[in-house]
Amino acid sequence: GAVVSQHPSWVICKSGTSVKIECRSLDFQATTMFWYRQFPKQSLMLMATSNEGSKATYEQGVEKDKFLINHASLTLSTLTVTSAHPEDSSFYICSARRAPLRTGELFFGEGSRLTVL
Amino acid sequence: ILNVEQSPQSLHVQEGDSTNFTCSFPSSNFYALHWYRWETAKSPEALFVMTLNGDEKKKGRISATLNTKEGYSYLYIKGSQPEDSATYLCALGDDKIIFGKGTRLHILP
Repeated sequence: GAVVSQHPSWVICKSGTSVKIECRSLDFQATTMFWYRQFPKQSLMLMATSNEGSKATYEQGVEKDKFLINHASLTLSTLTVTSAHPEDSSFYICSARRAPLRTGELFFGEGSRLTVL
Repeated sequence: ILNVEQSPQSLHVQEGDSTNFTCSFPSSNFYALHWYRWETAKSPEALFVMTLNGDEKKKGRISATLNTKEGYSYLYIKGSQPEDSATYLCALGDDKIIFGKGTRLHILP
């Protein structure tokens, strides 16, 4: 099956610093990647949809200046949490869909647990 | 706002028993419905992607049905095994994929 690699798996940072999370599709091209955030005992909340070579589409209530998403190639998308604060502590997970199927299944990364002190 | 509802939130099933749970969604503007299994300490894995009303899909002991006119899908597990313990997620969409809160399934030995 297709493999998506996400790292780091765990990151602890100080308040005010920025953190970058990478999501790579290792053996397929992903025109679309999705970034989700999971709050405790909640579902996966879609943050943004990232299309290769274009600006990400953010969901309502997600600050695009705080959560910078870049999808520079067909195999890599990054999420940067800028000026992180304790309320940004969460589980972030990416997923990728094979090009060009809009009905294609999602392949998920391992997720990243962010703790902001 | 697309609302995907899953029920029950949690379920305990005796090993060997069969079970099923539900995903409900708005019937208008349907495109595709996904089912994923998410085991602890692993990544979610796709079970099915369904697009047609009346569609039924099967993978081993797990099967799913889809009713787009009334806006629901059922996931069935036959003869539950300990390895079936996981959270089962339903998701909807095309350009963006929206998830329900999941059904957490516990198989009791």
